[in-house]
Amino acid sequence: DAKTTQPNSMESNEEEPVHLPCNHSTISGTDYIHWYRQLPSQGPEYVIHGLTSNVNNRMASLAIAEDRKSSTLILHRATLRDAAVYYCILRLIQGAQKLVFGQGTRLTINP
Amino acid sequence: NAGVTQTPKFQVLKTGQSMTLQCAQDMNHNSMYWYRQDPGMGLRLIYYSASEGTTDKGEVPNGYNVSRLNKREFSLRLESAAPSQTSVYFCATRRDTQYFGPGTRLTVL
Repeated sequence: DAKTTQPNSMESNEEEPVHLPCNHSTISGTDYIHWYRQLPSQGPEYVIHGLTSNVNNRMASLAIAEDRKSSTLILHRATLRDAAVYYCILRLIQGAQKLVFGQGTRLTINP
Repeated sequence: NAGVTQTPKFQVLKTGQSMTLQCAQDMNHNSMYWYRQDPGMGLRLIYYSASEGTTDKGEVPNGYNVSRLNKREFSLRLESAAPSQTSVYFCATRRDTQYFGPGTRLTVL
């Protein structure tokens, strides 16, 4: 499985945008980029995913570099409820689609 | 809909005891997964089941067995618990993305 690299932690202020980076220099053409987050004492939850084009949903936006070797999860207006560990995961579309979790980025939101 | 449910929520075992963690889903998904999460770490895949009647090993299967009882239920069994198995266990199902249960916190003394 291709590996992802994320900063261990980031900090931001409430109601400001947050940009969470992820490097995946060994990504293959069939790998989708997935983001999950894990709120304290809960199981992970899906945030967003994409292949080549930038993606938006009600939770976040995903910006994917043209060479696909990096991506950025964007929370447009962070709230205290967005404090969580964010995982960037590469996932093949075929097969059992196992998720390989790294250590993720722990996001702290200051009021 | 309850989504993915796990029982029990908490469990304390002594070394050598056995137990089964239960997982059930009402989303009619074919694929189900068991992960463990040690403190400060990401999740690691123990076993998965791509469909009813099939199971496969993940990254850390040693010391565990699984049963895909039917489409809804996927159980994880520890035959002889060890302190190294102290962890939080998450069950998940998948359609396009994975949906996780709330977890079982297991302590082995």
